[in-house]
Amino acid sequence: AQKITQTQPGMFVQEKEAVTLDCTYDTSDPSYGLFWYKQPSSGEMIFLIYQGSYDQQNATEGRYSLNFQKARKSANLVISASQLGDSAMYFCAMREGRDRDDKIIFGKGTRLHILP
Amino acid sequence: AAGVIQSPRHLIKEKRETATLKCYPIPRHDTVYWYQQGPGQDPQFLISFYEKMQSDKGSIPDRFSAQQFSDYHSELNMSSLELGDSALYFCASRWTSGKFNEQFFGPGTRLTVL
Repeated sequence: AQKITQTQPGMFVQEKEAVTLDCTYDTSDPSYGLFWYKQPSSGEMIFLIYQGSYDQQNATEGRYSLNFQKARKSANLVISASQLGDSAMYFCAMREGRDRDDKIIFGKGTRLHILP
Repeated sequence: AAGVIQSPRHLIKEKRETATLKCYPIPRHDTVYWYQQGPGQDPQFLISFYEKMQSDKGSIPDRFSAQQFSDYHSELNMSSLELGDSALYFCASRWTSGKFNEQFFGPGTRLTVL
């Protein structure tokens, strides 16, 4: 069963608008971490933001914020004031396992296109 | 700040050849991970090492092997290459005592098998 679900294969958004990328996850482990990564066409995987399962507040990093709804098992990424450089593939991911036995499970990704 | 280094960045091989990918983690990071990302796919976990010992294994083919050396760099060895091995291979490193349990990814090695 898919552990990370991103239901939006692609999105087109006008520059300067806010964007919400959806992500739901499935785990029975009470301790987990959620990540968002950006992958531009050049291929590198860029860390954007992290949310721990016990964090009381939603994570924010500059223009990125994570809308964490634990009961719904959702961790949507919000990008405020989108820019042309935000055009990329975005992966939601979850840390599975503990300590040194952990690994990251990725969703299928959402390709975001920012329109001028 | 130092980042994860991967070499080579691009590699072209013929079918049935072997390839070795290298990863140099961020200094002080004690865990290394390898991921494979096929064209248009999400990255898939292959294998990880903690303090030079294999700690977890994912969907890594038997033709592949990996190890972590005393200086913490890691190598992924791939033999009898197949066309389907063409992918972007990421190495990531983590410091297990770090704040976010974040894995820092390298720039990737793009392997093309002809």
